[in-house]
Amino acid sequence: GAGVSQSPSNKVTEKGKDVELRCDPISGHTALYWYRQSLGQGLEFLIYFQGNSAPDKSGLPSDRFSAERTGGSVSTLTIQRTQQEDSAVYLCASSQRVARSTDTQYFGPGTRLTVL
Amino acid sequence: AQTVTQSQPEMSVQEAETVTLSCTYDTSESDYYLFWYKQPPSRQMILVIRQEAYKQQNATENRFSVNFQKAAKSFSLKISDSQLGDAAMYFCAYRVPYNNNDMRFGAGTRLTVKP
Repeated sequence: GAGVSQSPSNKVTEKGKDVELRCDPISGHTALYWYRQSLGQGLEFLIYFQGNSAPDKSGLPSDRFSAERTGGSVSTLTIQRTQQEDSAVYLCASSQRVARSTDTQYFGPGTRLTVL
Repeated sequence: AQTVTQSQPEMSVQEAETVTLSCTYDTSESDYYLFWYKQPPSRQMILVIRQEAYKQQNATENRFSVNFQKAAKSFSLKISDSQLGDAAMYFCAYRVPYNNNDMRFGAGTRLTVKP
């Protein structure tokens, strides 16, 4: 596909379980971003990847959150021992990061996570 | 730290009329980019329009235009001839080029379009 894709679209889990959220960026985009959007709120930055490396992990809310990116493409956001406050929509975006560009981020449709 | 403020949690417009959504930001940078994103109920964040701070001319994309006031740090979005499909959450965002992640979003404005 031409856009950013994310899976699953919706995820319901029980408190204490681990979850994995997947993001498939636009082909050729070297930068990948994860955001969290709580109900009725704006976007909260979580982590950024340039290629396979994550130079900025400052937005991860706790050590239960981790992310990886392999092959410079697909990324997985993992939340361990989920808590009810983790319930949110998790959005992924990618961008080209070419020189002197607007570096516009293009978003996926998000994964709605509900922790019961 | 850069912050983005959208002072209108909700706005309403009659179909075919014009509406302006406000956005202000705080920064000490001189070079940056500004964006408006639309988020319909489908959750998909869609880029509406973008503005480079070094350009004085206001960006325009069909029915969407911005009023960029750099000195005032204001970046409002004008939607002309509003359509029912324009109903969505609108987010203003700010980014410094080449920074790792420095994309800051406002809290959003929910736009309702009345038929």
